[in-house]
Amino acid sequence: AQKVTQAQTEISVVEKEDVTLDCVYETRDTTYYLFWYKQPPSGELVFLIRRNSFDEQNEISGRYSWNFQKSTSSFNFTITASQVVDSAVYFCALDQKLVFGQGTRLTINP
Amino acid sequence: KAGVTQTPRYLIKTRGQQVTLSCSPISGHRSVSWYQQTPGQGLQFLFEYFSETQRNKGNFPGRFSGRQFSNSRSEMNVSTLELGDSALYLCASSLGGFRNQPQHFGDGTRLSIL
Repeated sequence: AQKVTQAQTEISVVEKEDVTLDCVYETRDTTYYLFWYKQPPSGELVFLIRRNSFDEQNEISGRYSWNFQKSTSSFNFTITASQVVDSAVYFCALDQKLVFGQGTRLTINP
Repeated sequence: KAGVTQTPRYLIKTRGQQVTLSCSPISGHRSVSWYQQTPGQGLQFLFEYFSETQRNKGNFPGRFSGRQFSNSRSEMNVSTLELGDSALYLCASSLGGFRNQPQHFGDGTRLSIL
């Protein structure tokens, strides 16, 4: 069975701090895809990144970076110099039927 | 390019009734998936349609059904509504199979059961 665990239910930091959102997954597939989505208060999920299981290269996009480690089945997401607009619920997801983690509610305080 | 459009945005029903939700995918997208989001269960996959055929199905009872039309628009139907069906229902579209393609989500339909 596939499973995604986001152990951090809520995180609250002050603006400009760095914050890392953890994601641990379980799958028996050798080929799979991982995703991160952001859900702002408006409700619409916004795609952030996709990573396939053969590509363990870390990725950086502006203030966002992702650390994929197959050895620990983790796909963590770091926001550098956080901003108030980063406040949202962030979901990590595993493919097939887009198995979602429970989400991490991130609040950035000014 | 227009995004995924879901109608209606809000809906209030009573137990035992049935409801139909609509989703118009991004133009050119052939895959449409439906999800239920609740505070307790989080985001759960309902089903996916591709070229008018149900391609994947989650673990929901038969009261939940869907269909897709030739223009890729999709509808989801829930019969004999229960209080526990109160949720945000999200629709997402992608070009093809969603295993490796990002899905684009609509704003959702918030269904409240009284």
